[in-house]
Amino acid sequence: QKEVEQNSGPLSVPEGAIASLNCTYSDRGSQSFFWYRQYSGKSPELIMFIYSNGDKEDGRFTAQLNKASQYVSLLIRDSQPSDSATYLCAVNMPGNNRKLIWGLGTSLAVNP
Amino acid sequence: DAMVIQNPRYQVTQFGKPVTLSCSQTLNHNVMYWYQQKSSQAPKLLFHYYDKDFNNEADTPDNFQSRRPNTSFCFLDIRSPGLGDAAMYLCATSTSDRGRSPLHFGNGTRLTVT
Repeated sequence: QKEVEQNSGPLSVPEGAIASLNCTYSDRGSQSFFWYRQYSGKSPELIMFIYSNGDKEDGRFTAQLNKASQYVSLLIRDSQPSDSATYLCAVNMPGNNRKLIWGLGTSLAVNP
Repeated sequence: DAMVIQNPRYQVTQFGKPVTLSCSQTLNHNVMYWYQQKSSQAPKLLFHYYDKDFNNEADTPDNFQSRRPNTSFCFLDIRSPGLGDAAMYLCATSTSDRGRSPLHFGNGTRLTVT
């Protein structure tokens, strides 16, 4: 089992819709969860981070964490073409010397 | 604005010719990281510094070295670049090396090896 798994996509949604991106992780002791957006040829940009179970909202973005089921999600409301990018999930792994483990990312395409 | 700056944005080097990539930060963060990212892959951690303490990843080739002369600057030296070292190199900073704090990335350096 991979340590951090994401559906590679591409996930295609129409403009204005809600995009839902999911990430599962293997280390039950993980405490920190990060979502980064990466445009093609650019560096990752922090979108959200979450530490506690439940939802965390920031503008059009909501991060949802469920530690019991070991998944973290990112919802993007009112999706815009400018949201088209790869979204990387990163999770700290206490059992792996506290390293940050990255998923391969989900490619999102928002169609006008 | 506080930021992480990488130079150059694009670097072309010849096979076997040493190359140095630089990173500076105005965030005053304790931790600086170097990642390698190839197309459609996740960033791969090469090493990191917590202040002056250097932490090398077990699978980082000896060909890659790093220096951190002060809090603000960090360098990545590739002693003998091979074609397989062509990638985006990402510098990042954070306040903690325990994976609890977000990473702040620079714009990256795209390395081409000819």
